[in-house]
Amino acid sequence: AQSVTQPDIHITVSEGASLELRCNYSYGATPYLFWYVQSPGQGLQLLLKYFSGDTLVQGIKGFEAEFKRSQSSFNLRKPSVHWSDAAEYFCAVVPRSGNTGKLIFGQGTTLQVKP
Amino acid sequence: GAGVSQSPSNKVTEKGKDVELRCDPISGHTALYWYRQSLGQGLEFLIYFQGNSAPDKSGLPSDRFSAERTGGSVSTLTIQRTQQEDSAVYLCASSLSTSGPYEQYFGPGTRLTVT
Repeated sequence: AQSVTQPDIHITVSEGASLELRCNYSYGATPYLFWYVQSPGQGLQLLLKYFSGDTLVQGIKGFEAEFKRSQSSFNLRKPSVHWSDAAEYFCAVVPRSGNTGKLIFGQGTTLQVKP
Repeated sequence: GAGVSQSPSNKVTEKGKDVELRCDPISGHTALYWYRQSLGQGLEFLIYFQGNSAPDKSGLPSDRFSAERTGGSVSTLTIQRTQQEDSAVYLCASSLSTSGPYEQYFGPGTRLTVT
């Protein structure tokens, strides 16, 4: 079945430590890939996206993500986490076979940052 | 420029009442999406508009839910005879087009509580 999976529901890291949030997808053709962040009480903000080309994508707020076709993964990384990064992170896809552009989201990963 | 706006930000209603949720997309964005975010179901697609037409209503959970868009701009999501399971945050997003796909920009959401 087609799906987007974020294996980690909750992650805690210390401020200044590195971060990696996992995302795996299951689609016949590589979908368009996105990472969104949602701070408490806020809407969703796009961090970065992958459509094609260079597999390492740079986003806002110092985030990057790497697309790995062989692993059907699009993991989000940040070298040094700040307390303000505490939020919920969603991986999302738009299947290439559709023509509506609707996003299909993973279940989300809640990031807690320890001082 | 102005982002996507939604109103009201919070709505408390009694079970059985009808509610209307409003979305003002970014000017010039032809595609508009409604999503629902709830604890049990995560982020779910509801409906998408291209201009004033809705080619994909597949996410609407029941016939109590309907939506319209007028003038290629403002959209209203209506829930009739609200039930407690309708309690959720309703998010609206807009994008330049569905061919791309272009980035979706999200509003802050309307938190609906059905008592």
